[in-house]
This record gives sequence, C-alpha cells and structure tokens, in this order.
Amino acid sequence: DGGITQSPKYLFRKEGQNVTLSCEQNLNHDAMYWYRQDPGQGLRLIYYSQIVNDFQKGDIAEGYSVSREKKESFPLTVTSAQKNPTAFYLCASSRGRGGRNEQFFGPGTRLTVL
Amino acid sequence: GENVEQHPSTLSVQEGDSAVIKCTYSDSASNYFPWYKQELGKRPQLIIDIRSNVGEKKDQRIAVTLNKTAKHFSLHITETQPEDSAVYFCAASRGDILTGGGNKLTFGTGTQLKVEL
Repeated sequence: DGGITQSPKYLFRKEGQNVTLSCEQNLNHDAMYWYRQDPGQGLRLIYYSQIVNDFQKGDIAEGYSVSREKKESFPLTVTSAQKNPTAFYLCASSRGRGGRNEQFFGPGTRLTVL
Repeated sequence: GENVEQHPSTLSVQEGDSAVIKCTYSDSASNYFPWYKQELGKRPQLIIDIRSNVGEKKDQRIAVTLNKTAKHFSLHITETQPEDSAVYFCAASRGDILTGGGNKLTFGTGTQLKVEL
C-alpha cells in the first residue's frame, strides 16, 4: 500500500472556503490523477497530469484547480465555486508513456462541507 | 468521450458459487480494461487487467473476457469466498499499446458483491 500518500484523511470545510488536498508519490511515476467518488457513481476524473508542469481537465473539473510543479506532488484545491464538494477524493499515479497503464491509488481524503 | 456501463449494481451469491460482472464501453479505440476491487473504506486496488490484443486472461479464481466486436468485457470470479465481498469497478482507456501508460481511465459505476455463507 505504500508509495502514494494523501493527507489529511478527513477534512472539514465551511462553505465559502478553499481547501487543498495533498497527494505525494515516491514511485517515480510521470502521470498523476484526481478522482472524486460519490455513492453509486463510481470514480469520476477531476484532473490529470502526464508530466511535470502540465495537466488537463477531466470530466468534472469545474470548481477545482491543480498544480504539478514537482514530479512527486499533485495537490488539488477545492474552491468555493464547487457547489457540492462533500465527497471522497482519491489520488492515483501511473508510470506514463512507456510503462504499464496500471494506476495506483492513495488512501483517499474524505471532505465534508459543514 | 468514453462511456462505461456496468451491471449489476449489486450482486449476492452463496459462498462457492461463481459471480459475473459485465461492462460495456462506447469508444472503439479503447484498448486497456482494468478491474479494481475496493473494500469498505479502503483504496481501489487492481485485481486484473486485459488489453485489446487478447480475448481472455486468468489469474487463479479470477478471469476477464473481452469481446471487442460487441464492446463488452466481463469479470468472472469462481469459488467465491467471503473475502471477495467488496465493490468492483471496471474501467476503460485508450492509449498506445506499445508505449503504454499515462492515459485516463473511465470507470463504471461499480458492483457491490456480497458473498453469503
């Protein structure tokens, strides 16, 4: 289970606040991803990055922002523009081009808006 | 974009029976199909995957079959055990089979499998 970590495990936010979720990996993976998981809806892609200093929007990017300044880090900011942010957030990484497609997931952060 | 449908949403079997979960995909260019298992409160973990250049893959009690023409793939679990109880997700992505990786996955909505004693 080691190699990709997320913090914090639980996060509570007041309405109108921005919060940043941390994701770190020491697998030397080029690609990193953020998913949102809601009951009955599976995993939906928020943002992904195939290489440092580059990232693309996923299917539900509105109200979220990311940065990829270092290979091992891909933080996600949930902004006040996200109307329904309460969810379980999962970060993942994979080798990227030239490697297997397999994505490895972090343990997740459960965000609750009060 | 890709759309992945997964059925059933819940599945209950007796211990020792087989379980089958089915997924369909819409993008004919998709060529990588993984299956993830997620136990309650834990992260999803890859249990088996298949690429479009093969039709079937087995790993002990787990097998996956792929029908490219019909654009569907299935997970088969034989001799089910209580520890198989979890949520299972299928997914699909398109990417270069030779260069591999770094492509986004589209997930199905999940199947809650319950293995009863």
